[in-house]
Amino acid sequence: GESVGLHLPTLSVQEGDNSIINCAYSNSASDYFIWYKQESGKGPQFIIDIRSNMDKRQGQRVTVLLNKTVKHLSLQIAATQPGDSAVYFCAENGGNEKLTFGTGTRLTIIP
Amino acid sequence: GAVVSQHPSWVICKSGTSVKIECRSLDFQATTMFWYRQFPKQSLMLMATSNEGSKATYEQGVEKDKFLINHASLTLSTLTVTSAHPEDSSFYICSAAQGAGEKLFFGSGTQLSVL
Repeated sequence: GESVGLHLPTLSVQEGDNSIINCAYSNSASDYFIWYKQESGKGPQFIIDIRSNMDKRQGQRVTVLLNKTVKHLSLQIAATQPGDSAVYFCAENGGNEKLTFGTGTRLTIIP
Repeated sequence: GAVVSQHPSWVICKSGTSVKIECRSLDFQATTMFWYRQFPKQSLMLMATSNEGSKATYEQGVEKDKFLINHASLTLSTLTVTSAHPEDSSFYICSAAQGAGEKLFFGSGTQLSVL
């Protein structure tokens, strides 16, 4: 079946450095991708999204890159802060409004 | 951004009892809401799609008689875990979108612990 997966389950980054979280997807029909941040005991928080007609989108301190050729999605967080520590999920929408979530990457910011 | 409210945040119940979880869209109408389940250190798994005014659509392997979903209005969906057992203990999360193809906003989740 179709799946969305992440390359790394954990990532530790020094405070102030940039972090990159990767995600691979397999549904070539997916046209909408979202990154969510989830802190312990809370629901996912929307970070940034991108549609398949784009390959890059920037937000505040975050950038999402989409490479449709290799079905790869990444989230870049600039100048990481302690508050960035959380689990990050990528999610894809294959066109039926349902989101399929990746396995998640735990980002730890080292002071 | 849009706000989705979920209540309660946590609940502890005895085995065999039923638990109702509410999901409200506070500043928009949602004809469709989604219910997810998340076990510790795992990803979110879609359980069902809640449709206002019609029956919910359940994902494969999810028992519709155990997880009752009611979407009686454009701002409220409820999930009732019937005859809860310890294996139903999990983090339940709802979500809603302002429109088709729009980004989903999530509730704060409900931690269910069945003793």
